[in-house]
Amino acid sequence: EVQLVESGGGLVQPGRSLRLSCTASGFTFGDFAMSWVRQAPGQGLEWVGFIRSEAYGGTTEYAASVKGRFTISKDDSKTIAYLQMNSLKTEDTAVYYCAQNRRDGYKLYYIDYWGQGTLVTVSS
Amino acid sequence: EIVMTQSPATLSVSPGERATLSCRASQSVSSNLAWYQQKPGQAPRLLVFGASTRATGIPGRFSGSGSGTEFTLTISSLQSEDFAVYYCQQYNNWPPFTFGPGTKVDIK
Repeated sequence: EVQLVESGGGLVQPGRSLRLSCTASGFTFGDFAMSWVRQAPGQGLEWVGFIRSEAYGGTTEYAASVKGRFTISKDDSKTIAYLQMNSLKTEDTAVYYCAQNRRDGYKLYYIDYWGQGTLVTVSS
Repeated sequence: EIVMTQSPATLSVSPGERATLSCRASQSVSSNLAWYQQKPGQAPRLLVFGASTRATGIPGRFSGSGSGTEFTLTISSLQSEDFAVYYCQQYNNWPPFTFGPGTKVDIK
């Protein structure tokens, strides 16, 4: 059974940093790309970023709203994906989900499994 | 960036009735579209990928159709557990992956 468990959320002041972790189990972590998606309170889903598996270079992509501030990485030996968030803004307040991506053809990925999410509140 | 729209914003349906949800892309996404279901306080769950392929374990009453810019998710006979918010998402032209704003299916 695929399990994704996020941790590291909490209350943080604007301008500060926070690192989220996503611990995975139930699948061969290193074979999969991973995404982070967020949901502001009462709002819809917003894709944050993506990291390819090492087989495809382990490279990353980001939404324009977080590019240059957020960094995604993964440790295949520990089966953990990370979201490092710097220079946080009040508008970054959201539940952050990590998700497993599955390939659906050349350069095509859909989100398959989701974690339960962790709440990040950015406020002074 | 491809903009996804969904209609209606809210759909009121009686249990046992059919529900038809629409999703439109601002430009063609071929068949590279997924549907997700989200219940209050829960993570989203994948229902359909490739516009029409049901994900593992998804009941047959859920069906997806469409290609290009127009897509439909149909729930043939609504069960109590189907009342939720439904999102479409394109993965054809990315980054970014983009989601629609959601359709809330509630009890009539």
